Amino acid sequence: DIQMTQSPSSLSASVGDRVTFTCRASQDISNYLAWFQQKPGKAPKSLIYAASSLQSGVPSRFSGSGSGTAFTLTISNLQPEDFATYYCQHYNSYPFIFGPGTKVDIK
Amino acid sequence: EVQLLDSGGGLVQPGGSLRLSCAASGFTFNSYPMSWVRQAPGKGLEWVSLISGSGGNTYYVDSVKGRFTISRDNSKNTLYLQMNSLRAEDTAVYYCAKDCGGHGDYWGQGTLVTVSS
Repeated sequence: DIQMTQSPSSLSASVGDRVTFTCRASQDISNYLAWFQQKPGKAPKSLIYAASSLQSGVPSRFSGSGSGTAFTLTISNLQPEDFATYYCQHYNSYPFIFGPGTKVDIK
Repeated sequence: EVQLLDSGGGLVQPGGSLRLSCAASGFTFNSYPMSWVRQAPGKGLEWVSLISGSGGNTYYVDSVKGRFTISRDNSKNTLYLQMNSLRAEDTAVYYCAKDCGGHGDYWGQGTLVTVSS
């Protein structure tokens, strides 16, 4: 199975900051990578698919990049509603593994 | 508007069974694969299973193979997860998700399964 790691596991940031976090796959997954946002007690929300394509309705301050084994999610101009946990997931081959998540909280 | 309504969770003893349902609306159900994803209390997300739009192909994470069965009734726009031989480690919120090219673009609200004596 392809394993996913994320770093950092958590970070503190302020409204208006630009934050970037990383997701790595244990083998080449091309661009079969999605990012999700989850708030406490809520279902995950799709943000990005195919590594860099923005899901419909997601603000343009979210962006993704990368291919192969290394990927990043960037949030520019962090907003209060962006404080949440972010997960990456590969869908290159079954099983579709999620990363352990990066929690973004308020500094 | 796409809507997914998860149901069927509850408290079950170890070794017991439970069937989860996910009622879908707002899209052509039989055109899309569907997935189940779970989240144990305080933990991250775990992909569990996926079924093709026709129902002819199914996939599972190793930890549930032979115990869980994913199925769908396209005439009722409903996805199911039959869970047998349940273990304490199956305790989680279970989410159904509409699959779009391999990733879940819409998710249900989740249903809690608690396996405990």
